[in-house]
Amino acid sequence: SAVISQKPSRDICQRGTSLTIQCQVDSQVTMMFWYRQQPGQSLTLIATANQGSEATYESGFVIDKFPISRPNLTFSTLTVSNMSPEDSSIYLCSVELKTAINYGYTFGSGTRLTVV
Amino acid sequence: GQNIDQPTEMTATEGAIVQINCTYQTSGFNGLFWYQQHAGEAPTFLSYNVLDGLEEKGRFSSFLSRSKGYSYLLLKELQMKDSASYLCAPSAFSGGYNKLIFGAGTRLAVHP
Repeated sequence: SAVISQKPSRDICQRGTSLTIQCQVDSQVTMMFWYRQQPGQSLTLIATANQGSEATYESGFVIDKFPISRPNLTFSTLTVSNMSPEDSSIYLCSVELKTAINYGYTFGSGTRLTVV
Repeated sequence: GQNIDQPTEMTATEGAIVQINCTYQTSGFNGLFWYQQHAGEAPTFLSYNVLDGLEEKGRFSSFLSRSKGYSYLLLKELQMKDSASYLCAPSAFSGGYNKLIFGAGTRLAVHP
């Protein structure tokens, strides 16, 4: 399975500012996913990032608010722009892994964001 | 569209067996995952079913019926450390790739 390094692990930010979250994977992966997990809730998919193309956003999420970069097969960033307290959440990246005998998804350790 | 339904909370006794049910309506269905998530941690993989039937892995088993849009996770010989949220996550094929869509999760509390 892949190992994902996600940072920062947590941050407290002022409203109106932006935060960029990074995910580094120890192997090349085609698809990377960004999720949000609001307090006490499950994971909601924000967008899917495929290397070399623009990210695909889920309903309710837009590129201006959550710009994503995917410069190569091992790295991606998610920016939370113009933050408000409603953006306080845990943000997680995930990768899809396919081999001849295994198929699954691995998650980063998450970024706990508090907007004040 | 996507619709996933699982119980919000369950309680069980240490050493017992518990079954967590999940029903789903998923466009482009391509298998179903179960994840465990302890508070403050990332989800960890438990099981993956793509064909109908039961997959057994130690104390955990998972069942899938594609025709009924139904899955369950069975936890045997419960331990206190099994207290966690259990997430049902169908895989949906759309736009040329697969993606996981998560249910709301079932918070399981295991008591002595």
